[in-house]
Amino acid sequence: ILNVEQSPQSLHVQEGDSTNFTCSFPSSNFYALHWYRWETAKSPEALFVMTLNGDEKKKGRISATLNTKEGYSYLYIKGSQPEDSATYLCAFQANRDDKIIFGKGTRLHILP
Amino acid sequence: DSGVTQTPKHLITATGQRVTLRCSPRSGDLSVYWYQQSLDQGLQFLIQYYNGEERAKGNILERFSAQQFPDLHSELNLSSLELGDSALYFCASSVGTKGTEAFFGQGTRLTVV
Repeated sequence: ILNVEQSPQSLHVQEGDSTNFTCSFPSSNFYALHWYRWETAKSPEALFVMTLNGDEKKKGRISATLNTKEGYSYLYIKGSQPEDSATYLCAFQANRDDKIIFGKGTRLHILP
Repeated sequence: DSGVTQTPKHLITATGQRVTLRCSPRSGDLSVYWYQQSLDQGLQFLIQYYNGEERAKGNILERFSAQQFPDLHSELNLSSLELGDSALYFCASSVGTKGTEAFFGQGTRLTVV
């Protein structure tokens, strides 16, 4: 059974503060780690797909790192803005098949 | 707009009935994934097709089936519906299989009464 765990479940952050959250995944049989942003009443949108240990990706104020040996990835948001309020999902793909298995997400609320 | 189209957007049906959900992937995408999101649950992987062939299966009930057609659109068939099947069903597509980002449709909200 593939387990993708995200923490925390929910997070309240003051506007302007930086924050980060974690995704844990199986360290064996790794192929790819995905991050998605899911706003209420919309559908998930891809942020990053990472495949190499030590990968770091950046898109504006959002960045992500990947450690495949220990099975975790961090997502960082610098200088949070109200539009960052969303659920952030990570998803794991193993080497053996094409399933994209999602965690339950971290729900981020930005306080004005 | 992700380029992935799901129809219908909403569906209300009675227990015991059968419904078909349709997904048109983004132009050029060969992979289609189906997910179920029930209340308080995350995205549960159901099944994946690549270029017409089933490639991966999740905890999909035997009452559910899917297929991907030669034009690459996909259908998810849900039969003998139960109240617990009420959920948001998402389709996602990607150009390849592993390591490529998935683009999600807007989902079909199924309500079984």
